[in-house]
Amino acid sequence: EAGVAQSPRYKIIEKRQSVAFWCNPISGHATLYWYQQILGQGPKLLIQFQNNGVVDDSQLPKDRFSAERLKGVDSTLKIQPAKLEDSAVYLCASSLFVQGADTQYFGPGTRLLVL
Amino acid sequence: DQQVKQNSPSLSVQEGRISILNCDYTNSMFDYFLWYKKYPAEGPTFLISISSIKDKNEDGRFTVFLNKSAKHLSLHIVPSQPGDSAVYFCAASSDRGSTLGRLYFGRGTQLTVWP
Repeated sequence: EAGVAQSPRYKIIEKRQSVAFWCNPISGHATLYWYQQILGQGPKLLIQFQNNGVVDDSQLPKDRFSAERLKGVDSTLKIQPAKLEDSAVYLCASSLFVQGADTQYFGPGTRLLVL
Repeated sequence: DQQVKQNSPSLSVQEGRISILNCDYTNSMFDYFLWYKKYPAEGPTFLISISSIKDKNEDGRFTVFLNKSAKHLSLHIVPSQPGDSAVYFCAASSDRGSTLGRLYFGRGTQLTVWP
């Protein structure tokens, strides 16, 4: 079974530029998550999708971050414009259902550096 | 607000000995607790979990203990092996309310197992 795929793996941009990340979850997984992991901290949820609907985006900085999940499968996360503090690893995860007991499977992440 | 805390950023253990990683939480609504393991340049991978209705769960060399009254859980690895060297994240979730499925992570503990 293929895991969660993410691209690109690394991205370096200058502040005020825009950037987009792509995620392909495990086939059949209804729930998709985007996490932000700043160096030295644990992952923090940005947005959670159930199929192609948003379940929780309470921690997404909506003035600069946006995300969509096309046809309930792939997802893109965009930052526009980027700030220095957006430097982090962006992790995508998926799970079969949306409940605490359901295992979330993580992709390798996209490491973003904003200069 | 850090609802899941891992107060030890690092732990060094000799091969064959026991590794004990600790985690504290503040939110009494959490009813599911998980440990994830992370190698460099990879996403976190699920290791073991425990429901709040239990106080112990065992899987091979890994055992998680939950003390609800103290809001504390620990991960025991016996015997420790060099391949266990990684960052270990404690996470918690609730099956209630608007945060259904959201994982709250600690900052992680870097475990180093030396020969």
